Amino acid sequence: DGGITQSPKYLFRKEGQNVTLSCEQNLNHDAMYWYRQDPGQGLRLIYYSQIVNDFQKGDIAEGYSVSREKKESFPLTVTSAQKNPTAFYLCASTEIGARYGYTFGSGTRLTVV
Amino acid sequence: SQKIEQNSEALNIQEGKTATLTCNYTNYSPAYLQWYRQDPGRGPVFLLLIRENEKEKRKERLKVTFDTTLKQSLFHITASQPADSATYLCALPYSGSARQLTFGSGTQLTVLP
Repeated sequence: DGGITQSPKYLFRKEGQNVTLSCEQNLNHDAMYWYRQDPGQGLRLIYYSQIVNDFQKGDIAEGYSVSREKKESFPLTVTSAQKNPTAFYLCASTEIGARYGYTFGSGTRLTVV
Repeated sequence: SQKIEQNSEALNIQEGKTATLTCNYTNYSPAYLQWYRQDPGRGPVFLLLIRENEKEKRKERLKVTFDTTLKQSLFHITASQPADSATYLCALPYSGSARQLTFGSGTQLTVLP
């Protein structure tokens, strides 16, 4: 079955550590996105990529980094510069040139310990 | 910048009734609007997309309207069931017809048996 796989489902980070969240899709979608969701708030866009080897900052990119070396993969690194990283992280993808809905992964819940 | 408001954080209705959720937006004219369903601890699932030149769209028990003059979308679930209980999010493109979406904070719907 086609879809988006996010891993791990739960992740614990110590102060000062960088951690990487994985996002893989086999839908052949060109565009991929990372959102952050905090309780009682909507999804906020961190980074997005519309084509391999290219990506753009969203509204809250500070303290995060991404890469897009393959069409299928769009990993997100939460760096130590992100002061409040505890949140639910969602990866999504969609087709290029079409106004279709996003397909989301099941999310990664990151907690700072 | 654009702003999305969804009515009340929580809505409780009796099984069999029609649930009506509201999404208001300001400051721009989106080319389309989308609705998603999100269950606790899961990623959102795309439900419907409605374009600016469409007044209404239906899918099974779901109906969405889009009033570009009022800058409002209404989302209806007819003959509601307890299984419809979830948080419903509306989403609009960041600008015009862009594919990057901005999301409302959602309305939590509970259908009581």
